[in-house]
Amino acid sequence: KQEVTQIPAALSVPEGENLVLNCSFTDSAIYNLQWFRQDPGKGLTSLLLIQSSQREQTSGRLNASLDKSSGRSTLYIAASQPGDSATYLCLRRRATQGGSEKLVFGKGTKLTVNP
Amino acid sequence: NAGVTQTPKFQVLKTGQSMTLQCAQDMNHNSMYWYRQDPGMGLRLIYYSASEGTTDKGEVPNGYNVSRLNKREFSLRLESAAPSQTSVYFCASSGRTFNSPLHFGNGTRLTVT
Repeated sequence: KQEVTQIPAALSVPEGENLVLNCSFTDSAIYNLQWFRQDPGKGLTSLLLIQSSQREQTSGRLNASLDKSSGRSTLYIAASQPGDSATYLCLRRRATQGGSEKLVFGKGTKLTVNP
Repeated sequence: NAGVTQTPKFQVLKTGQSMTLQCAQDMNHNSMYWYRQDPGMGLRLIYYSASEGTTDKGEVPNGYNVSRLNKREFSLRLESAAPSQTSVYFCASSGRTFNSPLHFGNGTRLTVT
């Protein structure tokens, strides 16, 4: 089973719709969960970081939540715009037994917002 | 704010050639990472460096070497390039604690023919 899963792999919505992107992980012992967007041919841009002690973070029209007990994070986008079209990735960061860290990305959800 | 800078942006190599991908960050970050991104495979960690002078293997280290030259710079070397190493390579950095966010460079698109 993948450590970090993002479903659906692709999503198409009309402009103005509110939407939720999902990120599920198998281990609740996390440091934090970070959301990124990636435009075609570009690098990853950090959107929000939720620490393990937090339940949610907000930035503008974006709200990310974290539920460690269920192993789930969601990214809520309000009033979607065509400029939100991109691939959204989540990154789970957790400790290892050796005291270092392990970072695992989901494979992303490709979002298309249609005018 | 330059952030994380990668060079070159594009590179074409012939099988067997070698090259070094450069990465530098100006945020005084301790940790630096090299990822590759392939369609259907997502982002996979090649090597990382938790601090100056230390490096560790990630998920897919075979065929690569790294050097943490100083706190700012972390290079990735392909000694003998293979077509399977055709990919987009990203460098990232992060602050001292595990709760610091990752910051990414814009990537290097490498094609090995």
